[in-house]
Amino acid sequence: EAAVTQSPRNKVAVTGGKVTLSCNQTNNHNNMYWYRQDTGHGLRLIHYSYGAGSTEKGDIPDGYKASRPSQENFSLILELATPSQTSVYFCASGDYRASPNSGNTLYFGEGSRLIVV
Amino acid sequence: SQLAEENSWALSVHEGESVTVNCSYKTSITALQWYRQKSGKGPAQLILIRSNERENRNGRLRATLDTSSQSSSLSITATRCEDTAVYFCATDGSLLSGSFNKLTFGAGTRLAVCP
Repeated sequence: EAAVTQSPRNKVAVTGGKVTLSCNQTNNHNNMYWYRQDTGHGLRLIHYSYGAGSTEKGDIPDGYKASRPSQENFSLILELATPSQTSVYFCASGDYRASPNSGNTLYFGEGSRLIVV
Repeated sequence: SQLAEENSWALSVHEGESVTVNCSYKTSITALQWYRQKSGKGPAQLILIRSNERENRNGRLRATLDTSSQSSSLSITATRCEDTAVYFCATDGSLLSGSFNKLTFGAGTRLAVCP
């Protein structure tokens, strides 16, 4: 059973519209992340969180907000979507403190494909 | 420029052959990880190698780490069609910070293994 679930899996949005991507994890991990994946760039970190109520900026946070209302849920919010935000978005969970010997293993969802027209 | 990057954009081998994917990085690390991403799926960790290790193995996979040259390699022996995927290296600083997990990924190497 998938431990990190993203919704929606596919979304077409209009420029200037609001988009919310949701992520739920059943791993009981403290940390959650949002990455975007574009050809030639690999995975780039947008926002992350290390517990309910906390959000931190990653490497490319401009144009995005995040919300972590609970241990299990982490949302990525595009208040005013632009075509440059067309991408595949991945949510992940991880918790070094839960298993130090395993290092910083991240567990990813299957991705949300967003097209902004 | 990326802090971690694979040295090849794409590789192609025949089933049964061995292949090596290389990675270079530019930051101080405490560990380096290799992830595999199959088409339409999220990345999944294959192997982790800590900065005080030179080599780590997992079945047909072998990862090496050279901290002096800031490079790593992932070798796959006896490749199968199902090894077709994108392979990423990712640098890990969490053991150093002791508090937060943040991986920096390379752009990935596309490996094709099929007749």
